[in-house]
Amino acid sequence: GESVGLHLPTLSVQEGDNSIINCAYSNSASDYFIWYKQESGKGPQFIIDIRSNMDKRQGQRVTVLLNKTVKHLSLQIAATQPGDSAVYFCAENIGAGGTSYGKLTFGQGTILTVHP
Amino acid sequence: SAVISQKPSRDICQRGTSLTIQCQVDSQVTMMFWYRQQPGQSLTLIATANQGSEATYESGFVIDKFPISRPNLTFSTLTVSNMSPEDSSIYLCSVEASRGSLSSYNEQFFGPGTRLTVL
Repeated sequence: GESVGLHLPTLSVQEGDNSIINCAYSNSASDYFIWYKQESGKGPQFIIDIRSNMDKRQGQRVTVLLNKTVKHLSLQIAATQPGDSAVYFCAENIGAGGTSYGKLTFGQGTILTVHP
Repeated sequence: SAVISQKPSRDICQRGTSLTIQCQVDSQVTMMFWYRQQPGQSLTLIATANQGSEATYESGFVIDKFPISRPNLTFSTLTVSNMSPEDSSIYLCSVEASRGSLSSYNEQFFGPGTRLTVL
């Protein structure tokens, strides 16, 4: 099947720095992209999503950028805090229709470590 | 939103046995999914649990190995049958539910997972 993200990289930053986490996807027909945060011992938690008809979306301290030309998705976290330390996954799907995501394909994830 | 609980939270099982994992949601949901997360890896969809009909399995997963029940809109079970050490993973239940007033789009919520170790 189609793949999202090819690596499990790690990213270490100092508290207060901005973090950028990247994800490559391969399914040009995908129309929803979602970022999840997974803390140790917990299930993934939704952070932010973006539809394929957008190239940027902002939330609280987070921004998602979508470049469909090169099939690239990024998550920017402003003023990173120790509580942001987790594994971050991108996910994609061809929507089931309407407001539904349907099935998700997850990328390999990035381990973010924030040092105080 | 949706709050999901899973039982058990973790288990250590012997090779050849089976384990049934329960997923309970605090609201009625149409779409419910089961994922596997192998150690240090990402999530892989096992199947979509359909209420009132057989689950829809993804490539590489079969009903005999991972039978799923979905008796109503708030509950599902996943059984890992005839286990081997390769089945050691975290098994996650997820549902799609409304985000409420925050968005017109649904969100996929995940349970805390069941950590399975097969000896």
